[in-house]
Amino acid sequence: DIQLTQSPSTLSASVGDRVAITCRASQSISTWLAWYQQKPGKAPKLLIYRTSTLESGVPSRFSGSGSGTEFTLTISSLQPDDFATYYCQQYSDLWTFGQGTKVDIK
Amino acid sequence: EVQLLESGGGLVQPGGSLRLSCAASGFTFSDYEMNWVRQAPGKGLEWVSYISGTSTMIYYADSVKGRFTISRDNAKNSLFLVMNSLRAEDTALYYCARGGSNYNFDFWGQGALVTVSS
Repeated sequence: DIQLTQSPSTLSASVGDRVAITCRASQSISTWLAWYQQKPGKAPKLLIYRTSTLESGVPSRFSGSGSGTEFTLTISSLQPDDFATYYCQQYSDLWTFGQGTKVDIK
Repeated sequence: EVQLLESGGGLVQPGGSLRLSCAASGFTFSDYEMNWVRQAPGKGLEWVSYISGTSTMIYYADSVKGRFTISRDNAKNSLFLVMNSLRAEDTALYYCARGGSNYNFDFWGQGALVTVSS
């Protein structure tokens, strides 16, 4: 089974900050990685797929990069609507999610 | 507008059974793969099961293999999850999620809560 480890688990930041979340896979997954955003009491929302492709309607301040075993989600300028929990997901071998990174207000 | 609406959740005793349903609308259901994903209270996301559009391919997470059965009725635009031999650790919010063009999950329902407790 492929394991995904996100870091940090919690990230405290301010509006306007540039933030980065890392997702490491236990083995190579090529670029078969997606990122989701989840707000309290809501279903997850797809942000990015195939490592770096933005889902329709997702603001361009979100970006993704990486390949193989190391991936990054970057928010270029954090907005109030971005405080949420973020999950990476691999789909190279079935599907696995990372444990999540909570972005909260500093 | 794509909509996914789960139902069938509830309180069940350990060892019991439950059947979840997901009613889909706003897209051609048979053209899409579907999944169940769960989230235990205060925890992260766990993929549970996958079914292809024609039901020819089905996969399960190891944690539910042999106990859960996924199925679909394309004529009724519905997805199902039959859960047997339920355990306390199956307590979670169960989401149905549509498979996107790239094997990701592009639309999610709001979830059905399953509580396994005596």
